[in-house]
Amino acid sequence: YELTQPPSVSVSPGQTARITCSGAALPEKYVYWYQQKAGQAPVLVIHKDSERPSGIPERFSGSSAGTTVTLSISGVQAEDEADYYCQSADSIGTYVVFGGGTRLTVL
Amino acid sequence: QVHLQESGPGLVKPSETVSLTCAVSGGSISRYYWSWIRQPPGKGLEWIGYISYTGNTMYTPSLKTRVTISLDTSNNHFSLKLTSVTAADTAVYYCARDDYRSSPDHFFDYWGQGTLVTVSS
Repeated sequence: YELTQPPSVSVSPGQTARITCSGAALPEKYVYWYQQKAGQAPVLVIHKDSERPSGIPERFSGSSAGTTVTLSISGVQAEDEADYYCQSADSIGTYVVFGGGTRLTVL
Repeated sequence: QVHLQESGPGLVKPSETVSLTCAVSGGSISRYYWSWIRQPPGKGLEWIGYISYTGNTMYTPSLKTRVTISLDTSNNHFSLKLTSVTAADTAVYYCARDDYRSSPDHFFDYWGQGTLVTVSS
C-alpha cells in the first residue's frame, strides 16, 4: 500500500502552500501530517485529517476529499521550509504507512 | 512533557545485530503504544513496528523476520533489536510514542531526537 506525495512544492512568502497525499484507502482512513526540518526529528502538525495539535500555528490546516488529503499552509513563512510527510494505515489498519515526503521551499 | 531518548551503538558491522533502547521520561510507558521508525540518509521515513503497553507487537512485513521490539515497564523504556544488518539498514532510528488510544489509527505525537546507526565493516 502506498501514499503518494509530490516530491517538491515551492511558494513565495505570504502565499498558501498546498501539499497533497493520495492513497486508495484514504476515504476510510485518517491521515496524519509531520513537519521535519533539516537535522531534526519530525513534528506532528495535523492529525485525523484536519485537527491541529496544541502549539501548532493556525496557518496549518488539513482537508480531505476522496482519495486525496491536502495539507495547507496559509501565509507561508521562511520557518515553514521543511520536508512534510503524510502518514496513514493500510486498508485493514494493520500497518503504518508514510508517504515519500514533500520538500517545501519558500522562495 | 514527555521526552524520548534513543541510545545504542553508532557503528555496527554487517551481519551483526544492532540493539537500540528508547528511554521515556515525563510519563509512564504504560497505557500507550510505542514505535520505532527509521530514515536512511537523504530518504523518507519508514515505520519499523510497534509494541503495545500489553506487549503485543506488529512489524512492517519487509523487516518482520529480523526485528524484535520489547518493553521494560519497570525501567520505563522499550527496545529494538535488528538482526543480520546490511548497509541498507544504515539510517537514523527514531523512537516515538504512538497515541493509538485517542485515534482509530496509529500516529506519533512525541519523537526522540534520533540516533544514527551506520552499518560498515
